[in-house]
Amino acid sequence: DGGITQSPKYLFRKEGQNVTLSCEQNLNHDAMYWYRQDPGQGLRLIYYSQIVNDFQKGDIAEGYSVSREKKESFPLTVTSAQKNPTAFYLCASSKVAGVRQETQYFGPGTRLLVL
Amino acid sequence: EDQVTQSPEALRLQEGESSSLNCSYTVSGLRGLFWYRQDPGKGPEFLFTLYSAGEEKEKERLKATLTKKESFLHITAPKPEDSATYLCAVQADPGGSGYSTLTFGKGTMLLVSP
Repeated sequence: DGGITQSPKYLFRKEGQNVTLSCEQNLNHDAMYWYRQDPGQGLRLIYYSQIVNDFQKGDIAEGYSVSREKKESFPLTVTSAQKNPTAFYLCASSKVAGVRQETQYFGPGTRLLVL
Repeated sequence: EDQVTQSPEALRLQEGESSSLNCSYTVSGLRGLFWYRQDPGKGPEFLFTLYSAGEEKEKERLKATLTKKESFLHITAPKPEDSATYLCAVQADPGGSGYSTLTFGKGTMLLVSP
């Protein structure tokens, strides 16, 4: 089955620690995205990538970093500079758009909690 | 700044009681409007894409419509399994660059009681 997988489902971070969230897709999509979801707020874009070895900052990139070495993978690192990391993190992918935005399909999410 | 507002924030219906959810937007250069369903603790599930005013899409008990300023998600004779949060997102490209990201609303939490 084609789809998007995220791991782990739950992640605990200690003060000053960097943690990495995994996102893998086998949909052959070129574009991948990371969003953060907080209670009572809409999804906010952290980073996105339209092609391997290239990515752009979204609205709330501070304290996060990404890499895109393979088409299938787009890991997100939450660094110690992110002072409020507790949230639900969602990865998505889509075909690269022409004029129209292609539909984004989401993974199951990773919930990050601070110890 | 692009804005997407969903109303109501929460809606409680009895099984079989039809209603509508609203998504109003203020963007220039609308390229598409997307509806998703999200169950608690899970990722959003794609429902519909609408591209131009007057367009309608249907799936089972759901029907999405689009005007120049808003979209409605009509739910006909809902069942308890329709309980979820429904998210609306818009894509706009005011500069004509050919690519832009999605702006999401905060969602409407729907609860359908038996």
